[in-house]
Amino acid sequence: NAGVTQTPKFRVLKTGQSMTLLCAQDMNHEYMYWYRQDPGMGLRLIHYSVGEGTTAKGEVPDGYNVSRLKKQNFLLGLESAAPSQTSVYFCASTLLPGQGNYGYTFGSGTRLTVV
Amino acid sequence: AQTVTQSQPEMSVQEAETVTLSCTYDTSESDYYLFWYKQPPSRQMILVIRQEAYKQQNATENRFSVNFQKAAKSFSLKISDSQLGDAAMYFCAYRRGQGGSEKLVFGKGTKLTVNP
Repeated sequence: NAGVTQTPKFRVLKTGQSMTLLCAQDMNHEYMYWYRQDPGMGLRLIHYSVGEGTTAKGEVPDGYNVSRLKKQNFLLGLESAAPSQTSVYFCASTLLPGQGNYGYTFGSGTRLTVV
Repeated sequence: AQTVTQSQPEMSVQEAETVTLSCTYDTSESDYYLFWYKQPPSRQMILVIRQEAYKQQNATENRFSVNFQKAAKSFSLKISDSQLGDAAMYFCAYRRGQGGSEKLVFGKGTKLTVNP
Protein backbone atom coordinates (compact mmCIF):
# COMPACT_ATOMS: atom_id res chain seq x y z
CA ASN A 1 0.00 0.00 0.00
CA ALA A 2 1.89 3.05 -1.27
CA GLY A 3 -0.50 5.72 0.05
CA VAL A 4 0.12 9.01 -1.76
CA THR A 5 2.96 9.13 -4.26
CA GLN A 6 4.29 12.35 -5.75
CA THR A 7 6.53 12.55 -8.78
CA PRO A 8 9.04 13.99 -9.27
CA LYS A 9 10.64 14.59 -5.87
CA PHE A 10 12.94 17.35 -7.10
CA ARG A 11 12.94 19.55 -10.17
CA VAL A 12 14.73 22.65 -11.41
CA LEU A 13 12.99 24.72 -14.07
CA LYS A 14 13.96 27.75 -16.03
CA THR A 15 11.63 30.74 -16.00
CA GLY A 16 8.93 30.26 -18.61
CA GLN A 17 9.19 26.49 -18.80
CA SER A 18 6.21 24.28 -18.10
CA MET A 19 5.86 21.11 -16.09
CA THR A 20 3.32 18.79 -14.49
CA LEU A 21 3.46 17.35 -11.00
CA LEU A 22 1.72 14.03 -10.55
CA CYS A 23 -0.04 12.86 -7.41
CA ALA A 24 -1.29 9.29 -7.25
CA GLN A 25 -3.17 7.62 -4.41
CA ASP A 26 -4.22 4.01 -4.06
CA MET A 27 -6.63 4.37 -1.12
CA ASN A 28 -9.78 5.13 -3.11
CA HIS A 29 -9.89 8.58 -1.53
CA GLU A 30 -12.46 10.94 -2.94
CA TYR A 31 -10.88 14.28 -2.02
CA MET A 32 -7.45 15.41 -3.15
CA TYR A 33 -5.51 18.61 -2.56
CA TRP A 34 -2.41 20.47 -3.71
CA TYR A 35 -0.60 22.66 -1.20
CA ARG A 36 2.55 24.72 -1.41
CA GLN A 37 4.86 25.28 1.53
CA ASP A 38 7.06 28.34 1.81
CA PRO A 39 9.26 29.34 4.76
CA GLY A 40 7.26 31.13 7.42
CA MET A 41 4.00 30.68 5.50
CA GLY A 42 2.84 27.22 6.48
CA LEU A 43 0.95 25.21 3.86
CA ARG A 44 -1.37 27.09 1.54
CA LEU A 45 -4.00 25.44 -0.61
CA ILE A 46 -3.55 25.84 -4.36
CA HIS A 47 -6.35 23.71 -5.83
CA TYR A 48 -8.44 20.80 -4.72
CA SER A 49 -10.82 18.18 -6.06
CA VAL A 50 -13.86 16.61 -4.42
CA GLY A 51 -14.13 13.81 -6.95
CA GLU A 52 -13.18 12.54 -10.38
CA GLY A 53 -13.70 15.22 -13.00
CA THR A 54 -14.02 18.06 -10.48
CA THR A 55 -11.55 20.79 -9.48
CA ALA A 56 -11.78 24.00 -7.50
CA LYS A 57 -9.53 26.91 -6.60
CA GLY A 58 -7.91 27.23 -3.24
CA GLU A 59 -6.18 30.13 -1.56
CA VAL A 60 -3.31 30.67 -4.04
CA PRO A 61 -4.42 29.31 -7.46
CA ASP A 62 -2.82 31.86 -9.81
CA GLY A 63 -0.27 30.41 -12.21
CA TYR A 64 -1.41 26.82 -11.68
CA ASN A 65 -3.88 24.48 -13.34
CA VAL A 66 -5.09 21.07 -12.25
CA SER A 67 -6.90 18.06 -13.63
CA ARG A 68 -8.54 15.00 -12.09
CA LEU A 69 -9.37 12.75 -15.03
CA LYS A 70 -9.02 9.62 -12.93
CA LYS A 71 -10.02 9.25 -9.31
CA GLN A 72 -6.60 8.12 -8.23
CA ASN A 73 -4.60 10.88 -9.95
CA PHE A 74 -4.46 14.62 -9.39
CA LEU A 75 -2.17 16.62 -11.67
CA LEU A 76 -0.77 20.07 -10.96
CA GLY A 77 0.48 22.05 -13.95
CA LEU A 78 2.64 25.11 -14.26
CA GLU A 79 2.23 26.57 -17.75
CA SER A 80 4.93 29.24 -17.51
CA ALA A 81 7.05 28.87 -14.39
CA ALA A 82 8.09 31.94 -12.42
CA PRO A 83 10.68 32.28 -9.64
CA SER A 84 7.81 33.01 -7.23
CA GLN A 85 6.69 29.42 -7.74
CA THR A 86 9.85 28.09 -6.14
CA SER A 87 8.43 26.07 -3.27
CA VAL A 88 7.80 22.64 -1.84
CA TYR A 89 4.57 21.15 -3.14
CA PHE A 90 2.49 18.65 -1.21
CA CYS A 91 -0.38 16.51 -2.33
CA ALA A 92 -2.88 15.15 0.18
CA SER A 93 -6.01 13.04 0.06
CA THR A 94 -8.85 12.05 2.34
CA LEU A 95 -12.11 10.11 2.37
CA LEU A 96 -15.58 11.53 2.25
CA PRO A 97 -17.00 12.63 5.57
CA GLY A 98 -18.76 9.91 7.44
CA GLN A 99 -16.50 7.20 6.02
CA GLY A 100 -14.81 6.48 9.28
CA ASN A 101 -11.24 7.66 9.37
CA TYR A 102 -11.18 11.31 8.38
CA GLY A 103 -7.44 11.58 8.50
CA TYR A 104 -5.44 12.99 5.65
CA THR A 105 -2.60 11.23 3.89
CA PHE A 106 0.21 13.37 2.54
CA GLY A 107 2.76 12.69 -0.14
CA SER A 108 6.44 13.24 0.58
CA GLY A 109 6.58 16.51 -1.32
CA THR A 110 8.19 17.91 -4.48
CA ARG A 111 10.89 20.53 -4.16
CA LEU A 112 10.66 22.82 -7.18
CA THR A 113 13.19 25.53 -7.96
CA VAL A 114 12.58 28.04 -10.74
CA VAL A 115 15.67 29.91 -11.88
CA ALA B 1 -12.84 32.46 6.14
CA GLN B 2 -11.28 30.33 8.79
CA THR B 3 -7.83 31.26 10.01
CA VAL B 4 -5.29 29.48 12.20
CA THR B 5 -2.66 31.39 14.16
CA GLN B 6 0.49 30.01 15.71
CA SER B 7 2.10 32.86 17.62
CA GLN B 8 5.40 31.13 18.38
CA PRO B 9 7.63 30.85 15.31
CA GLU B 10 10.26 29.00 17.35
CA MET B 11 10.38 27.16 20.66
CA SER B 12 13.04 25.19 22.45
CA VAL B 13 12.93 22.62 25.25
CA GLN B 14 15.39 20.54 27.18
CA GLU B 15 15.29 16.82 26.67
CA ALA B 16 12.88 15.15 29.14
CA GLU B 17 11.13 18.44 29.88
CA THR B 18 7.62 19.54 28.88
CA VAL B 19 6.77 22.13 26.25
CA THR B 20 3.48 23.66 25.10
CA LEU B 21 2.86 24.96 21.60
CA SER B 22 0.07 27.48 21.12
CA CYS B 23 -2.61 27.64 18.46
CA THR B 24 -5.68 29.81 18.09
CA TYR B 25 -8.26 29.70 15.34
CA ASP B 26 -11.14 31.75 14.08
CA THR B 27 -14.36 30.20 12.86
CA SER B 28 -18.09 30.72 12.99
CA GLU B 29 -18.75 27.00 12.59
CA SER B 30 -19.80 24.77 15.46
CA ASP B 31 -18.77 21.51 13.80
CA TYR B 32 -15.09 21.20 13.01
CA TYR B 33 -11.90 19.26 13.64
CA LEU B 34 -8.48 20.36 14.78
CA PHE B 35 -5.15 18.70 14.13
CA TRP B 36 -1.50 18.94 15.01
CA TYR B 37 0.96 17.78 12.37
CA LYS B 38 4.68 17.21 12.79
CA GLN B 39 7.11 17.80 9.94
CA PRO B 40 10.64 16.53 10.56
CA PRO B 41 13.54 17.41 8.24
CA SER B 42 12.43 14.55 5.98
CA ARG B 43 9.48 16.80 4.99
CA GLN B 44 6.93 14.09 5.65
CA MET B 45 3.73 15.39 7.27
CA ILE B 46 2.91 13.21 10.27
CA LEU B 47 -0.36 13.42 12.17
CA VAL B 48 0.34 13.86 15.86
CA ILE B 49 -3.12 14.27 17.34
CA ARG B 50 -6.64 15.35 16.40
CA GLN B 51 -9.64 16.70 18.24
CA GLU B 52 -13.30 16.77 17.34
CA ALA B 53 -14.93 20.04 18.35
CA TYR B 54 -18.00 18.28 19.75
CA LYS B 55 -15.89 16.35 22.24
CA GLN B 56 -15.23 18.10 25.52
CA GLN B 57 -12.52 15.66 26.55
CA ASN B 58 -9.03 16.64 25.46
CA ALA B 59 -7.33 14.21 23.10
CA THR B 60 -4.23 12.35 24.25
CA GLU B 61 -1.72 10.24 22.32
CA ASN B 62 1.06 8.89 24.52
CA ARG B 63 3.32 11.86 25.38
CA PHE B 64 1.20 14.28 23.34
CA SER B 65 -1.93 15.94 24.66
CA VAL B 66 -4.00 18.96 23.81
CA ASN B 67 -5.75 21.67 25.77
CA PHE B 68 -8.87 22.41 23.76
CA GLN B 69 -10.69 25.54 24.85
CA LYS B 70 -13.64 25.84 22.48
CA ALA B 71 -15.02 29.13 23.80
CA ALA B 72 -11.59 30.74 23.59
CA LYS B 73 -10.89 29.05 20.23
CA SER B 74 -7.59 27.78 21.52
CA PHE B 75 -5.92 24.44 20.78
CA SER B 76 -2.50 24.04 22.39
CA LEU B 77 -0.23 20.99 22.14
CA LYS B 78 1.68 19.72 25.16
CA ILE B 79 4.65 17.44 24.65
CA SER B 80 5.77 15.67 27.81
CA ASP B 81 9.14 14.03 28.38
CA SER B 82 10.51 15.64 25.22
CA GLN B 83 12.82 13.52 23.12
CA LEU B 84 15.41 14.47 20.52
CA GLY B 85 13.18 12.93 17.87
CA ASP B 86 10.47 15.46 18.67
CA ALA B 87 12.53 18.22 17.04
CA ALA B 88 10.53 19.33 14.00
CA MET B 89 8.14 21.90 12.61
CA TYR B 90 4.69 21.61 14.14
CA PHE B 91 1.60 22.78 12.32
CA CYS B 92 -1.84 23.36 13.75
CA ALA B 93 -4.66 22.78 11.27
CA TYR B 94 -8.43 23.25 11.10
CA ARG B 95 -11.09 21.51 9.05
CA ARG B 96 -14.77 22.24 8.81
CA GLY B 97 -17.18 19.51 9.68
CA GLN B 98 -19.29 17.70 7.13
CA GLY B 99 -20.69 19.49 4.13
CA GLY B 100 -17.62 21.36 3.02
CA SER B 101 -14.69 20.60 0.80
CA GLU B 102 -12.89 19.08 3.77
CA LYS B 103 -9.82 21.18 3.11
CA LEU B 104 -7.29 21.74 5.86
CA VAL B 105 -6.34 25.27 6.86
CA PHE B 106 -2.87 25.45 8.37
CA GLY B 107 -1.10 27.81 10.72
CA LYS B 108 2.36 29.05 9.81
CA GLY B 109 4.09 26.56 12.06
CA THR B 110 6.32 26.44 15.12
CA LYS B 111 9.87 25.16 14.89
CA LEU B 112 10.66 23.06 17.95
CA THR B 113 14.26 22.49 18.99
CA VAL B 114 15.07 19.86 21.61
CA ASN B 115 18.33 20.41 23.46
CA PRO B 116 20.22 17.43 24.89
